[in-house]
Amino acid sequence: DVKVTQSSRYLVKRTGEKVFLECVQDMDHENMFWYRQDPGLGLRLIYFSYDVKMKEKGDIPEGYSVSREKKERFSLILESASTNQTSMYLCASSFIAGGEQFFGPGTRLTVL
Amino acid sequence: GENVEQHPSTLSVQEGDSAVIKCTYSDSASNYFPWYKQELGKRPQLIIDIRSNVGEKKDQRIAVTLNKTAKHFSLHITETQPEDSAVYFCAASEGDSSYKLIFGSGTRLLVRP
Repeated sequence: DVKVTQSSRYLVKRTGEKVFLECVQDMDHENMFWYRQDPGLGLRLIYFSYDVKMKEKGDIPEGYSVSREKKERFSLILESASTNQTSMYLCASSFIAGGEQFFGPGTRLTVL
Repeated sequence: GENVEQHPSTLSVQEGDSAVIKCTYSDSASNYFPWYKQELGKRPQLIIDIRSNVGEKKDQRIAVTLNKTAKHFSLHITETQPEDSAVYFCAASEGDSSYKLIFGSGTRLLVRP
């Protein structure tokens, strides 16, 4: 059973703070993803990684960066949080390109 | 890039009726089309998927159909039950070998007992 975990379910931060969201998967998946979920907009891809230290921009990378130092861990970084980054953040992993993605439980981030 | 449109945004059906959710995509090279179900407060989970070399796939009460010519695919749920109430997302791969999935905006399905 694939397990994808995220460091926090709920997070409240102040404008301008640096925010780290962590994701860990235990199935040795090559590919990891960070999405943002907003009502009426579906899931939008922020960044993904297909290997350790490799990263690719998704559709909405502005204001975010990522880090993948180990295969099982993929971090999303908000360098200077802003109120328009208040959202649900979902991490996912997959074994193959274009294959099933397994999601974490999500982190609901509120930026005040 | 790929664009996926999903309709309707909300759908209310009586228990036992069928529900149909439709998606269209723009990239003719897309070859993988999954459907995810997200119950309230939970993570999205894959319920069924289809690849471009297949026109239809069934799994018990759930079926997906794909029309490559028209670039649309649909989710069919028969004999709906209250536990089918959730948000459903369609997705399409970007191109034929991409890591990326492009998601639709979601359909909130309510099954009335």
